[in-house]
Amino acid sequence: EDQVTQSPEALRLQEGESSSLNCSYTVSGLRGLFWYRQDPGKGPEFLFTLYSAGEEKEKERLKATLTKKESFLHITAPKPEDSATYLCAVQTYNNNDMRFGAGTRLTVKP
Amino acid sequence: DGGITQSPKYLFRKEGQNVTLSCEQNLNHDAMYWYRQDPGQGLRLIYYSQIVNDFQKGDIAEGYSVSREKKESFPLTVTSAQKNPTAFYLCASIGPGRMYTGELFFGEGSRLTVL
Repeated sequence: EDQVTQSPEALRLQEGESSSLNCSYTVSGLRGLFWYRQDPGKGPEFLFTLYSAGEEKEKERLKATLTKKESFLHITAPKPEDSATYLCAVQTYNNNDMRFGAGTRLTVKP
Repeated sequence: DGGITQSPKYLFRKEGQNVTLSCEQNLNHDAMYWYRQDPGQGLRLIYYSQIVNDFQKGDIAEGYSVSREKKESFPLTVTSAQKNPTAFYLCASIGPGRMYTGELFFGEGSRLTVL
């Protein structure tokens, strides 16, 4: 069965303290891996798509990378406004829907 | 502005009652989805629809029903058969040709609480 595991469940950082969030996956035939940001009480907002190992995408202070077993979301010099839950999801060649991880709740203190 | 509108934002239901959550989009997207989100769990797919008058069950369809009579609308009914309906419900859509990009557009969600 396809599985997506995110770690840590929660992460507290000081403003400017860089770190990484992990998304490990066990799927048959990865078509794509996706990162979303979700603010409390809101719907997720799409951030990145990664298709193949070695691929990287960047947006402001965020950089997503992909290997054959996991993806990392690197946050460089975070600011309090980066506080949110970050979700990853995978899509396989077997079906068109996406399987989501439980998310990492990031808090950045000023 | 284009987007997805979910209503109501908060809903309280007594046990044994059916409730319907509304989802309307003006993005001209063909595919629409309903997800359920519980604390500590990932989003789980309830139903999805790729075209009008057609929809498929997701992983947790039991106790739910949907309709897709118009492209813009995809309402979800939570029936009394759903054993544990208290959750945050999210509606999403994706544009034509974007199915494999992961670029789902989500509404702001509806929080259902069973009293």
